[in-house]
Amino acid sequence: EDQVTQSPEALRLQEGESSSLNCSYTVSGLRGLFWYRQDPGKGPEFLFTLYSAGEEKEKERLKATLTKKESFLHITAPKPEDSATYLCAVQGPDSWGKLQFGAGTQVVVTP
Amino acid sequence: NAGVTQTPKFQVLKTGQSMTLQCAQDMNHNSMYWYRQDPGMGLRLIYYSASEGTTDKGEVPNGYNVSRLNKREFSLRLESAAPSQTSVYFCASSVRGGTNYEQFFGPGTRLTVL
Repeated sequence: EDQVTQSPEALRLQEGESSSLNCSYTVSGLRGLFWYRQDPGKGPEFLFTLYSAGEEKEKERLKATLTKKESFLHITAPKPEDSATYLCAVQGPDSWGKLQFGAGTQVVVTP
Repeated sequence: NAGVTQTPKFQVLKTGQSMTLQCAQDMNHNSMYWYRQDPGMGLRLIYYSASEGTTDKGEVPNGYNVSRLNKREFSLRLESAAPSQTSVYFCASSVRGGTNYEQFFGPGTRLTVL
């Protein structure tokens, strides 16, 4: 069974203080690893898809990387508007269209 | 484009009552999904529809039924609501095929069962 574990559960950062979120996964034959951002009271918003180890993707202050066992979401010089819960999900080879989500990391960035 | 829309936004039910959550997408996506989100447990798949005319159970289907009304619409029905079904429900859709599997989510329905 696919499993996804995110750490830490919560992260409090000062504005400008860079940090990384971790997503560890267990899936045989990864089809894709997805990162989402979720603001309070809203639905998840798609950020990135990573398909193979070594792949990296960037969007503004966010950079996602992928190894064979985990993914990192690096937040560089965060701003208060980066405060959100970040969700990681994986899709295995036999679960077409079905994502297994982690519980998320809640990030708070203070001015 | 509105993307994925859900109605209602909020609902309070009494135990044993029934209701249908509505979802529609205007992105011409083939596949649609229903998730529930509970504190500390992440999003869990209830049912999904890979294409119009097909539906399959996800991780937590008990107590729910679904209908893929057409390519745009996918509804979730609670026949006899229970307090354990208090949750936030999200609908999502995705393109089928190719190499892009990302799902796009609606704003959610917050359901409380008393």
